[in-house]
Amino acid sequence: GAVVSQHPSRVICKSGTSVKIECRSLDFQATTMFWYRQFPKKSLMLMATSNEGSKATYEQGVEKDKFLINHASLTLSTLTVTSAHPEDSSFYICSASLFQGGGYTFGSGTRLTVV
Amino acid sequence: DAKTTQPNSMESNEEEPVHLPCNHSTISGTDYIHWYRQLPSQGPEYVIHGLTSNVNNRMASLAIAEDRKSSTLILHRATLRDAAVYYCILRDTGANNLFFGTGTRLTVIP
Repeated sequence: GAVVSQHPSRVICKSGTSVKIECRSLDFQATTMFWYRQFPKKSLMLMATSNEGSKATYEQGVEKDKFLINHASLTLSTLTVTSAHPEDSSFYICSASLFQGGGYTFGSGTRLTVV
Repeated sequence: DAKTTQPNSMESNEEEPVHLPCNHSTISGTDYIHWYRQLPSQGPEYVIHGLTSNVNNRMASLAIAEDRKSSTLILHRATLRDAAVYYCILRDTGANNLFFGTGTRLTVIP
């Protein structure tokens, strides 16, 4: 079945630094990937839709300059949290769909802690 | 996306069937009903999806009301590993993304 690999699973960084999270589709090509964030005991919130070869589409209220998304190939999308602050600490999750109309596969998530 | 309503939490005894309800009274004709579950500290996992007819797979069954305004996810024999938050989501056929509601936290009692 379709597998989405997300790396790293955990990262701790200092305030003001940037962190890159990778999301790879291992056995299929994904022209579109999605990035979510999740606070403790809360539901997933869609941040942006990542499109291969073009700019990402951000949801309302999500700062595009803060959360840089690059989807340079059909199997890799990256999310960079720039100038991270403690309030950016969260669980970040990516997903992709094997085919239009099908179910979505999610990565295992990245727990970011900014200290 | 049309909204779904689920109970915040449910409990089930191990090895008994579980029926997780979902109301979606504003569903449109092109909305698929998707179910995902999320175990602690993991990304969500696809469970099942359907449009009008009931669906079965190795994980669960999905029963869809005739008017499509509600659906029920059925786990035939709950195990401890089924303890998770279950999300019922409507996805338009023309849309690419999923919007998560609050889900139902299922507790399985040994």
